[in-house]
Amino acid sequence: GEQVEQRPPHLSVREGDSAVITCTYTDPNSYYFFWYKQEPGASLQLLMKVFSSTEINEGQGFTVLLNKKDTRLSLNLTAAHPGDSAAYFCAVPRRSAGNKLTFGIGTRVLVRP
Amino acid sequence: GPKVLQIPSHQIIDMGQMVTLNCDPVSNHLYFYWYKQILGQQMEFLVNFYNGKVMEKSKLFKDQFSVERPDGSYFTLKIQPTALEDSAVYFCASSSGLGPNQDTQYFGPGTRLLVL
Repeated sequence: GEQVEQRPPHLSVREGDSAVITCTYTDPNSYYFFWYKQEPGASLQLLMKVFSSTEINEGQGFTVLLNKKDTRLSLNLTAAHPGDSAAYFCAVPRRSAGNKLTFGIGTRVLVRP
Repeated sequence: GPKVLQIPSHQIIDMGQMVTLNCDPVSNHLYFYWYKQILGQQMEFLVNFYNGKVMEKSKLFKDQFSVERPDGSYFTLKIQPTALEDSAVYFCASSSGLGPNQDTQYFGPGTRLLVL
């Protein structure tokens, strides 16, 4: 089945710096993906749905890049601030299995003042 | 955004007892999911459910697990009997459809289950 590898598992950055999280996936036919943010003790909050037709997606304070050739997805938190401290998960849906999501292991980001 | 509720938020139970985890999905959603996350590990798919039936289940969905949504009420995950390895956070999710414009899964806050 689909495998998703996410790195790094932990990331500590200074406020104002950028933070990059990368996921690689195995199914080259995957054509959309999700990034979720999870603050401590809270639910998963959808950050962005990424379609393979767009290589660069911009959100509020972050950019998502998709490299289909290398089956790699990355989330770049630009100018990180303390509110960005959370766990971030990439997820790949498998349409043949009722859209079950295969998650990366998560990246725990700490933004230091 | 759309909200999924889960009750209870925490549950402590003795091994061998039965437990029911409740999920109140987004009101117009038709597809429902359970995921399991052991502390510090990856979130893993358990089961999905549509129109009163299980669509797909993983190998983590043991025979002791069952799901139902009677008459549009809570979507429930029942474990009977519980085992120590069932200790985890269980997340419920729902989506309105399966197509690329409908399949975003919205997650509840999780139920933290501790089996002693």
